[in-house]
Amino acid sequence: NAGVIQTPRHKVTGKGQEATLWCEPISGHSAVFWYRQTIVQGLEFLTYFRNQAPIDDSGMPKERFSAQMPNQSHSTLKIQSTQPQDSAVYLCASSRTDSGNTLYFGEGSRLIVV
Amino acid sequence: GQQVQQSPASLVLQEGENAELQCNFSSTATRLQWFYQRPGGSLVSLLYNPSGTKHTGRLTSTTVTKERRSSLHISSSQTTDSGTYFCAMDDTNAYKVIFGKGTHLHVLP
Repeated sequence: NAGVIQTPRHKVTGKGQEATLWCEPISGHSAVFWYRQTIVQGLEFLTYFRNQAPIDDSGMPKERFSAQMPNQSHSTLKIQSTQPQDSAVYLCASSRTDSGNTLYFGEGSRLIVV
Repeated sequence: GQQVQQSPASLVLQEGENAELQCNFSSTATRLQWFYQRPGGSLVSLLYNPSGTKHTGRLTSTTVTKERRSSLHISSSQTTDSGTYFCAMDDTNAYKVIFGKGTHLHVLP
């Protein structure tokens, strides 16, 4: 079991550019979560999928952020027109179901917008 | 929605001392999990404990659901225990998992 895999681990992008982050959940896990972590805001929920379907995106900034899960083995988080305030560590997690089961996190993708 | 409060915000101990971390929440939760994070590291699951008492190694978690609180006890702390400890649980009437702000633990040699 390789755990949750996130790529890239680090990304530096210029202001206004697009950034795409990938997540491969643990095989057999039906729930996938995305979080953002900064020193100021702490851990913020962004969105989650259950069986590839988007269930709750209440934490997603509406205009420039989007997430997809085209198949059970990967999810993407896309940020368009990146801004310096998007700089953060983006964490993906998966669990067997979306309630009542342990959440496992990937190593995270550190995004720096310059 | 669910409110999660962790205390203390920070804690400094001498190696060998015990630590008691608290998590209080506003609504009942079906999922409650304790995580550890080293600076610059990812979140490592320590214990999944929505109710009762669970042990692993030097860690003990006790969750009293009706009182909406959970604790994490670290016995005989070591310098390698230094880092941030988070409790997390599902939000009210939702399945998203939300986190407390964490307890920063520093264990001195």
